[in-house]
Amino acid sequence: GDSVTQMEGPVTLSEEAFLTINCTYTATGYPSLFWYVQYPGEGLQLLLKATKADDKGSNKGFEATYRKETTSFHLEKGSVQVSDSAVYFCALGLGNNRLAFGKGNQVVVIP
Amino acid sequence: EAQVTQNPRYLITVTGKKLTVTCSQNMNHEYMSWYRQDPGLGLRQIYYSMNVEVTDKGDVPEGYKVSRKEKRNFPLILESPSPNQTSLYFCASSFDRGGSNTGELFFGEGSRLTVL
Repeated sequence: GDSVTQMEGPVTLSEEAFLTINCTYTATGYPSLFWYVQYPGEGLQLLLKATKADDKGSNKGFEATYRKETTSFHLEKGSVQVSDSAVYFCALGLGNNRLAFGKGNQVVVIP
Repeated sequence: EAQVTQNPRYLITVTGKKLTVTCSQNMNHEYMSWYRQDPGLGLRQIYYSMNVEVTDKGDVPEGYKVSRKEKRNFPLILESPSPNQTSLYFCASSFDRGGSNTGELFFGEGSRLTVL
């Protein structure tokens, strides 16, 4: 069935470093793709989304481009801050508001 | 303030003791859903509801019940909790009617449940 795969393991990096979190998907058709962020002790919140191929979603300095040819939706940020420390989830739309979530990546930004 | 409110936020209980986790949203959303989050497994959907009196199973419905008698409320019921239901639970809602596939969900802050 339709699913997303995120890179394994937590990501630890220094403040102002470049962040990339990989996400690939398997789907029939052309689903919408999403990145959600979960800050410590909070629920998930939508970070950005893209609804069709070649769309670029962006928010708070984060970007992700819907790449149909590589079935990917990698998340990037050019210069991270300590406040970006969170868990990031890639998700794929299954229709009727249902989402398939990846396992999430813990990002820790060190001052 | 627009929000999804869950209660309780934390609960420790024992096997077999029925419990209910409440969820309420003040955004007039038609769609509501329950997820559980477990280490290494991400979020898995338990049940969802497209509208009042309409509920459907998600990916992991076993051991859970839900009801949707009012638009704003979507309680999760564990009739006979077991230790494998120890988890972090999230309620979510959306303004979309379904089929539009925008996937913009609003989440509650979570309810951490421990079943001994």
